[in-house]
Amino acid sequence: LAKTTQPISMDSYEGQEVNITCSHNNIATNDYITWYQQFPSQGPRFIIQGYKTKVTNEVASLFIPADRKSSTLSLPRVSLSDTAVYYCLVGSPRGNTPLVFGKGTRLSVIA
Amino acid sequence: EPEVTQTPSHQVTQMGQEVILRCVPISNHLYFYWYRQILGQKVEFLVSFYNNEISEKSEIFDDQFSVERPDGSNFTLKIRSTKLEDSAMYFCASSVVETASGGPITDTQYFGPGTRLTVL
Repeated sequence: LAKTTQPISMDSYEGQEVNITCSHNNIATNDYITWYQQFPSQGPRFIIQGYKTKVTNEVASLFIPADRKSSTLSLPRVSLSDTAVYYCLVGSPRGNTPLVFGKGTRLSVIA
Repeated sequence: EPEVTQTPSHQVTQMGQEVILRCVPISNHLYFYWYRQILGQKVEFLVSFYNNEISEKSEIFDDQFSVERPDGSNFTLKIRSTKLEDSAMYFCASSVVETASGGPITDTQYFGPGTRLTVL
C-alpha cells in the first residue's frame, strides 16, 4: 500500500479556496487516489476520487500531476461547515480492498 | 441519495456482555465492511464481506468478533464478550465495483453514521 503524507492541520478563513496536498511517492500503476471527509462523531464521507490529471465534482477538485506522486484536493470558497478532517487514501480499488486511513488533515475554517 | 444506515447510534454495555451492531448497506452494493475508530485515533479496518463470506480481516478481528448477513438487507457485527478496549465508534461501509472510463475498476466505499460503543 502506498504511504501518504499530508499536513496535520490547516486553518482558513471563510470564503477562501483551500488546497490540501498529499504526497504518495510510491503509488502503484493501478492505484487510485481517494479523498474522504470526516466530521466529529460521524463516518468518513467520500469526496472525490481520481486516477490522473484533474477531476471535478460539485464539492471539490482533485489535481494529479503527470508523475502521480502527489495530489491536491481543492475546496472552493470554504465555509464554517467545511471544518473537518480530510483523508487522502491511495490504493488499488479492486474488489473489496480495505481502506487504510492515516491521521488526515484537520481543517479549521474561521469566520 | 441512498445511504448506509446503522443502529443503534449509541450502545452502552457491561464488560463481558455480547453486543450486536446492525447495518443496512446500500441496496445494490455487493461488498460490506466494518471499521472502527477509537476516540482520537485513526479509522481502522476490521473485516470485509462478500458473497456471504469473509473476504479479509485484520488482526483486530479476533475470535471475539463475527459478522453475518442474516437476510437480504442487514449486515451485523457481533462482539461476543466485550472488553473495555472495544469502546469505539464502529462504522459500516458498503461498495459496488464500478468501471470508470479510461481506468481500472473503482470501488468507492460509502460509510454509515456509526455506532458509538461504550463498554463499562
